[in-house]
Amino acid sequence: GEDVEQSLFLSVREGDSSVINCTYTDSSSTYLYWYKQEPGAGLQLLTYIFSNMDMKQDQRLTVLLNKKDKHLSLRIADTQTGDSAIYFCAESHGSTGNQFYFGTGTSLTVIP
Amino acid sequence: DAGVTQSPTHLIKTRGQQVTLRCSPISGHKSVSWYQQVLGQGPQFIFQYYEKEERGRGNFPDRFSARQFPNYSSELNVNALLLGDSALYLCASSLSLSRETQYFGPGTRLLVL
Repeated sequence: GEDVEQSLFLSVREGDSSVINCTYTDSSSTYLYWYKQEPGAGLQLLTYIFSNMDMKQDQRLTVLLNKKDKHLSLRIADTQTGDSAIYFCAESHGSTGNQFYFGTGTSLTVIP
Repeated sequence: DAGVTQSPTHLIKTRGQQVTLRCSPISGHKSVSWYQQVLGQGPQFIFQYYEKEERGRGNFPDRFSARQFPNYSSELNVNALLLGDSALYLCASSLSLSRETQYFGPGTRLLVL
């Protein structure tokens, strides 16, 4: 990809908040996305944020966007064991804006 | 409504063989994209198709090709398979070409021996 970076691992206790961070490269990216991948499965869209927004909240999920630093974060409140998965951030690229570049993924482990 | 479907779910091939993977998009979606996800990495963009035309290509060799049919389903072909082609191949569909959210299928897991 185009050097979308994420930390590889995160471990939290059940009930705590999780914060997964991502830095991206293309300042012209219009949309930024968060996907979840459970073992052996495809990618599940969690949420996305438009680049003219700073924050988006959707139930337990909060996305923060810092365009100046090209930094995106996903906060999961009240993390549950079912949240254990790999989380990918993605930025849209290309002439159509519909070619996604993904980070390497952050493996979230929730400890009961 | 059915989501994105892919077939087969798993496939084992040997080096030098050819493989065809299939994808059916969500009903009403006209754009299909293909991604390769090697174990431990994020998905890498291979192709995007819209209205049967290629609209984007990632950094993959010419051994990789694809096409889209009038019903918007798509096939990904890989010739002269290499061990390094072993991966999960993901198909994603979206309504159109603009910066639309993409919805992913479960993938086809290809193992090249």
